[in-house]
Order: sequence, then structure tokens, then C-alpha cells
Amino acid sequence: DQQVKQNSPSLSVQEGRISILNCDYTNSMFDYFLWYKKYPAEGPTFLISISSIKDKNEDGRFTVFLNKSAKHLSLHIVPSQPGDSAVYFCAASRDDYKLSFGAGTTVTVRA
Amino acid sequence: SQTIHQWPATLVQPVGSPLSLECTVEGTSNPNLYWYRQAAGRGLQLLFYSVGIGQISSEVPQNLSASRPQDRQFILSSKKLLLSDSGFYLCAWSVRGLETQYFGPGTRLLVL
Repeated sequence: DQQVKQNSPSLSVQEGRISILNCDYTNSMFDYFLWYKKYPAEGPTFLISISSIKDKNEDGRFTVFLNKSAKHLSLHIVPSQPGDSAVYFCAASRDDYKLSFGAGTTVTVRA
Repeated sequence: SQTIHQWPATLVQPVGSPLSLECTVEGTSNPNLYWYRQAAGRGLQLLFYSVGIGQISSEVPQNLSASRPQDRQFILSSKKLLLSDSGFYLCAWSVRGLETQYFGPGTRLLVL
């Protein structure tokens, strides 16, 4: 049962433009959400997170938006850079500190 | 600062052979520890997690087992590997009480 879904397997964006990655979840008990970035043959790197009591969290070029009523979150990367080309995973947690991951979105930043 | 190590980085094993993957964390005490598997083109699946020495919870019934013999050591094992055990295995840790998990570099396992 896939409780966290990333429906876009890939995204191509021009350097300098905005990248928007989307994530949907089905379990209303999730109260914490995270985004990870992963390069091939490496472990995921934590990017940014948001608690369910907030609707926006910003860290440099990365902003995460949470819409609880729609059970939807998104990650905005502005401006996109070549080093942002990677697979991005959305993850969600209940209060048991176990993470449920989406299948990932591969971002390619074009020069 | 905290670091997490996994070895080996790559492993090729025949079907039916045993497996032992090791993960160690430095720079923290009493971490929660996790084993994940990423199959090709898919997300991360939680296999085991541990909140303390000797305390292991299994998320998915399977051919694998985990042990935590020391506070910062987490081991993934199998007595007999199956072809379906191939994948990318990731160890992660978190501060007890916090949600953010930090991942190791991973082990790529190929069972032939």
C-alpha cells in the first residue's frame, strides 16, 4: 500500500528556472514531511522538512509547501542549478519516527 | 559531527550464500537505526528499525534479519540469499525523538 506517491517520475527544467516537485499522501496521521535528494550509487541526503502545523518552510533555494486538506506537498527549487540534477524523494512520518517514501522524481537541469 | 559508515560498498554473491552487511554510526549515542532497501526504479522500503541494543522491529516478512550487538552498530544478515534480495541497501540513523533520518552511502548487492 503506497501511502506516499510521487506521480511524476521525471522532470526536466532549464537552468535558472523553477523546479516544482509534487507529492501526495493518503494517511491523515502523517505529521511530519521530508524531502531527500539522491545521486546515483549514494545514500539520500536530507534537504528540508516541514511539520504539519506549518504550511511553508524555506531554506535558501528550497521551499516546501504543505496543503493538509489536499494531502499534498511540493518542493520548489529556485533557481535550478546543474548540481540539482538528482532523484528527489518525498517522505512522511507519523509519531512513530518511521518514514514512508515515495518512488522518487528524477530531476534533470538543462544548461 | 556525526558520520555513518556502511560496508562493503558493493557485493556480488551467489544464490544460497550467506550475507552480512554492517553499519556503524559515530558521533552520537542511543540513535535509532534503520535498514532500507531500494529496488531498481523504486522508492525506499523500510526493512528493520531498532531503538536500542538487541531491540529489532521487522517491517516486512522476508529472507533477511537484523541485529544490533552494540549501541552504534547495526547488522543486516541472511542465511541464504535469493535472487530477489538484489538491490541497494541503506542504513540510516536518527536522534531518538526526532523524525529526520540520515543515510549512509549504501551497499549495492547483486545476487547471481
